[in-house]
Amino acid sequence: AQSVTQPDIHITVSEGASLELRCNYSYGATPYLFWYVQSPGQGLQLLLKYFSGDTLVQGIKGFEAEFKRSQSSFNLRKPSVHWSDAAEYFCAVGAQGGSYIPTFGRGTSLIVHP
Amino acid sequence: NAGVTQTPKFQVLKTGQSMTLQCAQDMNHEYMSWYRQDPGMGLRLIHYSVGAGITDQGEVPNGYNVSRSTTEDFPLRLLSAAPSQTSVYFCASSRDRSTEAFFGQGTRLTVV
Repeated sequence: AQSVTQPDIHITVSEGASLELRCNYSYGATPYLFWYVQSPGQGLQLLLKYFSGDTLVQGIKGFEAEFKRSQSSFNLRKPSVHWSDAAEYFCAVGAQGGSYIPTFGRGTSLIVHP
Repeated sequence: NAGVTQTPKFQVLKTGQSMTLQCAQDMNHEYMSWYRQDPGMGLRLIHYSVGAGITDQGEVPNGYNVSRSTTEDFPLRLLSAAPSQTSVYFCASSRDRSTEAFFGQGTRLTVV
């Protein structure tokens, strides 16, 4: 069965600092990978996705993520964090065909200090 | 473009009461799902549907029923509410199970 691990429950950064949120997955073939963001009191919104091709994908709000097959990772990055980036971030893995259903990580809460 | 609409946004129930959380999408998506979100637990899948007339259980289905009579609607029924069902519930839809999901705004349910 596929699984997703987000090892960091909370991450605290200063505004303007760089950010990296970790995501590791377990899946037998090439997965479909997603990052979602959840602002307080809101539903989840897609930040970016990886299906195939270039392993560095760009998303909305200045975020990017890199798929590394050798490390089974799909880490989310941003070069300079803004206070409005404070939110909960979820990594998710899906798969084409078969009976797999999308699996979400437990989330990482990002706190931004001024 | 409404996307995924959930109603109500907030609900308080007494133990033993039943209710239905509504979910509707206007994107003609085949795949729909219900999650509950609890602190420290992330999103846990309750039930999902791959098309009208087809539903299946997720990770935490006990105490919940679903049906999918149309492509657009996917209601979640709580049969006899319990305090353990206090949570935030999200409905999501996607073109199929492998593509990105669109989420509703959530329903915050409290069972007293």
